[in-house]
Amino acid sequence: DTGVSQDPRHKITKRGQNVTFRCDPISEHNRLYWYRQTLGQGPEFLTYFQNEAQLEKSRLLSDRFSAERPKGSFSTLEIQRTEQGDSAMYLCASSSLLGEGYEQYFGPGTRLTVT
Amino acid sequence: AQKITQTQPGMFVQEKEAVTLDCTYDTSDQSYGLFWYKQPSSGEMIFLIYQGSYDEQNATEGRYSLNFQKARKSANLVISASQLGDSAMYFCAITNYGQNFVFGPGTRLSVLP
Repeated sequence: DTGVSQDPRHKITKRGQNVTFRCDPISEHNRLYWYRQTLGQGPEFLTYFQNEAQLEKSRLLSDRFSAERPKGSFSTLEIQRTEQGDSAMYLCASSSLLGEGYEQYFGPGTRLTVT
Repeated sequence: AQKITQTQPGMFVQEKEAVTLDCTYDTSDQSYGLFWYKQPSSGEMIFLIYQGSYDEQNATEGRYSLNFQKARKSANLVISASQLGDSAMYFCAITNYGQNFVFGPGTRLSVLP
C-alpha cells in the first residue's frame, strides 16, 4: 500500500490558464475526496466520489472547476481560467466503506500558485 | 449543517507534559463521527483518532485520547507525554459518515524543550 499520491506537487500558472491535477487513491478505497486549503485554515470540502459517481459538490466549486473519476480509480481536478483567488493547496483523500469511521487518508497535496 | 469550533489558535506545552486541544461541534445528525488530524509543517494530513457518536467509551490511540462529552458536544484531544515531534497544526473534523467532512480552523501546538 503506497498511500494516496498527487501530481504535480507544485504548479505555478498565469491567470487565465487551465490547470489539471491528478490524484491516485489507496487502491482498495472506493471513496475519493477533493479539498482546498488556504494558509492558516482547515481543509474545505470541494467534492467527493463513490467509485466513479460524483455524489456531492460544494457550493465553493464554481463552474470553472470540474472533477472526474472515470474508472473509479484515479481522479482529476481541472480548474479553467484560473484566478489569483484559486491559489491554494489542493488536497485529495480516500477512504473505504470498510473502515470503521470512514477515516480519510490524505495525499501530500498540490500547491497551486496563480500569478 | 455541521460546524466545528476550535477556540485555541495556538497552544504551548512543555515537553513530556500532557496537553488538551479543544473542539466543539454542531450537528443535526444523530449518527456522526469525529476525527482529529495532525498537519506538520511538511503539509501532509495525518489521521490520529476517531470517535463514533454512539461509542460509549472514549477512543484512545497510543498517546492520543479523545475526551468525548456528547451532551456538551465536545471532542477534545488529549496528548500525553508531549514530544518535540508533536509540534504541528491539529484539526478536528466531523462527518455524517462519508458524505461530507467538515474541518475546524485548527490549533497550532508548539512543544517546548
